[in-house]
Amino acid sequence: QKEVEQNSGPLSVPEGAIASLNCTYSDRGSQSFFWYRQYSGKSPELIMFIYSNGDKEDGRFTAQLNKASQYVSLLIRDSQPSDSATYLCAPDSGAGSYQLTFGKGTKLSVIP
Amino acid sequence: GAGVSQSPSNKVTEKGKDVELRCDPISGHTALYWYRQSLGQGLEFLIYFQGNSAPDKSGLPSDRFSAERTGGSVSTLTIQRTQQEDSAVYLCASSLWAGEGEQYFGPGTRLTVT
Repeated sequence: QKEVEQNSGPLSVPEGAIASLNCTYSDRGSQSFFWYRQYSGKSPELIMFIYSNGDKEDGRFTAQLNKASQYVSLLIRDSQPSDSATYLCAPDSGAGSYQLTFGKGTKLSVIP
Repeated sequence: GAGVSQSPSNKVTEKGKDVELRCDPISGHTALYWYRQSLGQGLEFLIYFQGNSAPDKSGLPSDRFSAERTGGSVSTLTIQRTQQEDSAVYLCASSLWAGEGEQYFGPGTRLTVT
């Protein structure tokens, strides 16, 4: 049984702070890792993906991957109230796999 | 361009009735996925289509659930003899090709079984 663990939150951070969202996964065969953002009542949308160990930066977002520890994280710098949403971690199911296993998500609340 | 569309947006049905949910993927996307999201839960994979290949039905929770994709485009998810535990938001997503994690989601169909 493939498992993806995320702290459900809510994670509350003040506006302008760094939000740190963490995810651990059980499938050592996972090669690609995706972060989706889901606003309340809306559908998920992809915001970041990472394939290699280390950091990947895109604007205010940084994804970090450590395959040895089976750990992936998402940092949001200069958090804004508009970042308030649930963030879903989704590793794939192995090399070239089409299937993503979604975690239950971490709810982030950015306080103005 | 047009995104993934789903219909209906909301469906209320009585226990025991059959329902059909429709998904129109983004034009040119060969892969189509169905997920289910229950209140406060993550996304549960149901079924996957890639072009004209046989679908991966490994996520379907019971034989009351079935899906088809006609002409490699529009897909219909059918739930027979609905049960209250089937109440959830059913999300459809498409991607350019299989193995690509960038999936584009439709707005979902909220199914309520009374």
